[in-house]
Amino acid sequence: GIQVEQSPPDLILQEGANSTLRCNFSDSVNNLQWFHQNPWGQLINLFYIPSGTKQNGRLSATTVATERYSLLYISSSQTTDSGVYFCAVGNYGQNFVFGPGTRLSVLP
Amino acid sequence: GAVVSQHPSRVICKSGTSVKIECRSLDFQATTMFWYRQFPKQSLMLMATSNEGSKATYEQGVEKDKFLINHASLTLSTLTVTSAHPEDSSFYICSSYSRGPGTSGVETQYFGPGTRLLVL
Repeated sequence: GIQVEQSPPDLILQEGANSTLRCNFSDSVNNLQWFHQNPWGQLINLFYIPSGTKQNGRLSATTVATERYSLLYISSSQTTDSGVYFCAVGNYGQNFVFGPGTRLSVLP
Repeated sequence: GAVVSQHPSRVICKSGTSVKIECRSLDFQATTMFWYRQFPKQSLMLMATSNEGSKATYEQGVEKDKFLINHASLTLSTLTVTSAHPEDSSFYICSSYSRGPGTSGVETQYFGPGTRLLVL
């Protein structure tokens, strides 16, 4: 099956800093989403991005499908950005395979 | 956007009892729903795929007689944890997908808010 890796596993930032999270996947997929899991467990969909680049406020994401990786950029981080960020990949009509996540802590 | 709800949000039960978790698609028809389980500080792992009107497909290592899945309508799938034990304590999340209009419509997966199960 598809393998998904994420790096780094843990990240501690000072408020205001920028960061880049990486997701590598082992096979071609037509569905890739980035999620933020808040402290209550809710998965917040950040981006649907099987290819290309998207931006939403302080967050942006880029997926290079031919090289099987995706990047999530967080700029001017805030304490509310803390939590776990998951990359999930799959194909239409099928389940997602989740990466192990990156645990982000933003300190005031 | 599409919304998936789950009920209950958290449940505490005694060992040996059964617990039912409901997953509903509120504004779209979900012929397929997925059930995931997440242990503390770990990622989400697929347990089973629930198909409306047919038997669920379980992942390797997941006991189908212990985790009963029923998908009787296009908007509701239920997961029943039978004879729950403390090792079943976990965060259970369901999801489904909705596709945008047209033949090239974008398909996005939507996740329920999760159910936190604690078995004493």
